Amino acid sequence: DQQVKQNSPSLSVQEGRISILNCDYTNSMFDYFLWYKKYPAEGPTFLISISSIKDKNEDGRFTVFLNKSAKHLSLHIVPSQPGDSAVYFCAASANYGQNFVFGPGTRLSVLP
Amino acid sequence: DAGVIQSPRHEVTEMGQEVTLRCKPISGHNSLFWYRQTMMRGLELLIYFNNNVPIDDSGMPEDRFSAKMPNASFSTLKIQPSEPRDSAVYFCASSLTTGAISYNEQFFGPGTRLTVL
Repeated sequence: DQQVKQNSPSLSVQEGRISILNCDYTNSMFDYFLWYKKYPAEGPTFLISISSIKDKNEDGRFTVFLNKSAKHLSLHIVPSQPGDSAVYFCAASANYGQNFVFGPGTRLSVLP
Repeated sequence: DAGVIQSPRHEVTEMGQEVTLRCKPISGHNSLFWYRQTMMRGLELLIYFNNNVPIDDSGMPEDRFSAKMPNASFSTLKIQPSEPRDSAVYFCASSLTTGAISYNEQFFGPGTRLTVL
């Protein structure tokens, strides 16, 4: 059973608009979350993280929101740019550990 | 820094052959991770090391898989014998971990695409 779910396999957004990528988790022990971006033929690259003691973390155009009661987090990209087109993975760990469980990914396409 | 280096980038082999994947982590990083990515299962953690010691190998699929880290700058993932279902992209990642809690992101290599015929 998938502990980290990204129910939208793909998402298309117009350049300049907001992209919202969602992630749900089932394990209530998860307390640290990461978002990674992956281009074809490359390894994932770290985007942004959030700890369970926060409900929001912001870094430039990227903001991650965490709703612990709903076991849900989302990544907002504003404004979206064509270079943001990639696969985005949500990952979670328990006890702030290193054993991260990854979601299946969402492919974002930002259309010019 | 060159980042995490993996070799080879592509490997095609026949069923039953031994396959060795190599990884050089970022200098100064003390944690190393091996992942496998497939269409069916996504990105899975196979094993990770802290200070060259294997900490959690619960993700290693079966005894045909083994991983070593003889020193801080090198690790191998070996599959013997290989099977067609092992075909996947294998990623190595490294991070700097201080104490028991890691808040630090993992830096991934470009991956090795393995095809077992």
